[in-house]
Amino acid sequence: GEDVEQSLFLSVREGDSSVINCTYTDSSSTYLYWYKQEPGAGLQLLTYIFSNMDMKQDQRLTVLLNKKDKHLSLRIADTQTGDSAIYFCAENPGGSYIPTFGRGTSLIVHP
Amino acid sequence: DGGITQSPKYLFRKEGQNVTLSCEQNLNHDAMYWYRQDPGQGLRLIYYSQIVNDFQKGDIAEGYSVSREKKESFPLTVTSAQKNPTAFYLCASTRRGISGANVLTFGAGSRLTVL
Repeated sequence: GEDVEQSLFLSVREGDSSVINCTYTDSSSTYLYWYKQEPGAGLQLLTYIFSNMDMKQDQRLTVLLNKKDKHLSLRIADTQTGDSAIYFCAENPGGSYIPTFGRGTSLIVHP
Repeated sequence: DGGITQSPKYLFRKEGQNVTLSCEQNLNHDAMYWYRQDPGQGLRLIYYSQIVNDFQKGDIAEGYSVSREKKESFPLTVTSAQKNPTAFYLCASTRRGISGANVLTFGAGSRLTVL
């Protein structure tokens, strides 16, 4: 199976909260990341969380980490049309510095 | 401003031709990477390089080649041996040796289409 799994699509209404979920397999990953990719562009780091943390908040973004279940989520409050993009979850498996990416979740925000 | 520059943005190739994608960074990063992105498949690692004059194969290296003669540059050649080269190619870099998160900086990508 894949190392990092994400659902492929999420559709939300503008102003609602979006929650993008990710599961990973390597419990030794020390950092977990969320990247954002806008159409036709490269990826940009949104945020990351150290494995000894449960939660990290940065303005409209909240990251929750459940190490026991190897589950990571990204919550975007007050979702805007500009948040429409592909969101990638990533980990550094086995202590490797090379990240493994999920397939990405396409977030579609409609009026 | 520091960053990664990929060129060309769009490239068309006839079957049987080799093409080279350029990747240049002025971030003084040690490590550089090439990823291939196909719809619904996420990012797959082609090659990576940790230092000058050294590089390793990633998960899908067949049909590709790279060089790392300078710290700033990591060009990718898509050879005629690559059976399905039409894709979006992303170059990235990161600084090694710093404890903590390994955050990648990405270029804007190059879209290769085989005619």
